[in-house]
Amino acid sequence: QQQVKQSPQSLIVQKGGISIINCAYENTAFDYFPWYQQFPGKGPALLIAIRPDVSEKKEGRFTISFNKSAKQFSLHIMDSQPGDSATYFCAAVSGGYQKVTFGTGTKLQVIP
Amino acid sequence: EAGVAQSPRYKIIEKRQSVAFWCNPISGHATLYWYQQILGQGPKLLIQFQNNGVVDDSQLPKDRFSAERLKGVDSTLKIQPAKLEDSAVYLCASSLAGATWETQYFGPGTRLLVL
Repeated sequence: QQQVKQSPQSLIVQKGGISIINCAYENTAFDYFPWYQQFPGKGPALLIAIRPDVSEKKEGRFTISFNKSAKQFSLHIMDSQPGDSATYFCAAVSGGYQKVTFGTGTKLQVIP
Repeated sequence: EAGVAQSPRYKIIEKRQSVAFWCNPISGHATLYWYQQILGQGPKLLIQFQNNGVVDDSQLPKDRFSAERLKGVDSTLKIQPAKLEDSAVYLCASSLAGATWETQYFGPGTRLLVL
């Protein structure tokens, strides 16, 4: 079964700092690599995504770095804010019906 | 625009009992998904519908779980009988046909506790 491994499990960052979450995947059958943000009591929401033929994508304070040869990708949150406190999931999309396989999640806490 | 609606929001049952969850997708969304999210894990796809038809149910425990989507709109997910390990949040999501994962929106989920 295709898997996506995510680390760390939890992360505490000072306001204004950089939050970094890492993911690794096991095979090359994935077509897209999205990141989702989930607040308590809510479903996950798409944050940003990258294709495997691109090494970096930036949207506002959020950046995905992608290393195809290492089968790794990461999310960087610049100038982290308390409102960014949430659980973040990396994911990978594959197949004709575009199945989304999620990582295990990282609980981020940004402290003032 | 109204989002994906789910009910109930919380449910507590004893093992071996039956339970059903309801989902109303975003209007016009042909694709509907049910995910299981166990505490501390990412969501896992249980079943994906395209209109009325099932396109992926490879991870659905079919001996106890069933799902249906009548008339290509609302959907119900049933567990019968429930086990302790079924305690999780059950998320429903929907998306536009042909543009799946990028337009996938999740509901708030139903939190199930099996005692």
